[in-house]
Amino acid sequence: EPEVTQTPSHQVTQMGQEVILRCVPISNHLYFYWYRQILGQKVEFLVSFYNNEISEKSEIFDDQFSVERPDGSNFTLKIRSTKLEDSAMYFCASNRDRANSPLHFGNGTRLTVT
Amino acid sequence: QKEVEQNSGPLSVPEGAIASLNCTYSDRGSQSFFWYRQYSGKSPELIMSIYSNGDKEDGRFTAQLNKASQYVSLLIRDSQPSDSATYLCAVNSYTGTASKLTFGTGTRLQVTL
Repeated sequence: EPEVTQTPSHQVTQMGQEVILRCVPISNHLYFYWYRQILGQKVEFLVSFYNNEISEKSEIFDDQFSVERPDGSNFTLKIRSTKLEDSAMYFCASNRDRANSPLHFGNGTRLTVT
Repeated sequence: QKEVEQNSGPLSVPEGAIASLNCTYSDRGSQSFFWYRQYSGKSPELIMSIYSNGDKEDGRFTAQLNKASQYVSLLIRDSQPSDSATYLCAVNSYTGTASKLTFGTGTRLQVTL
């Protein structure tokens, strides 16, 4: 069964550094998402992306965050200047259409900001 | 603010018993509903999806939806130790041109031997 793949599985960075989290969505999916989960808390929506542009973003997704689909397969999340509170699991997800199809999640990247 | 509420648990059931997990949501316009299973440190894994009122069965899992009461539930029959995990209720709202899932905090299920 096709999978959403994410790299790296774990990223450690120092406060103020830039990080790029990478995702390869399922190939026939059209909608892409980033969610995050701070340890012990609920999964939170960050951003949705369709047709090479952001569809919606949450309040969390401020100017420090950006997303890009640089080629036909990759989907990236960049955090420009990381803060301690950015430490979380970041999940990429995709689905075929915006209506009823479920989101399929990647295995996640654990980001640790020191 | 769209909310999804779940009892955080833990819900402890003996092996072979039925586990019943419940969820309520605030947005009456929601149209699709999902149950995800999450093992500690892992990503959410889709268990069930349900879109219309009533029951939907898939193997040992049954999802129930009551839109009038804004209530979704998941029944797990013949619970196994491997079912021990956190179960996330997620409600989908369509905004702009994409889906947006709102998750509950999850119910931790413990299946005891």
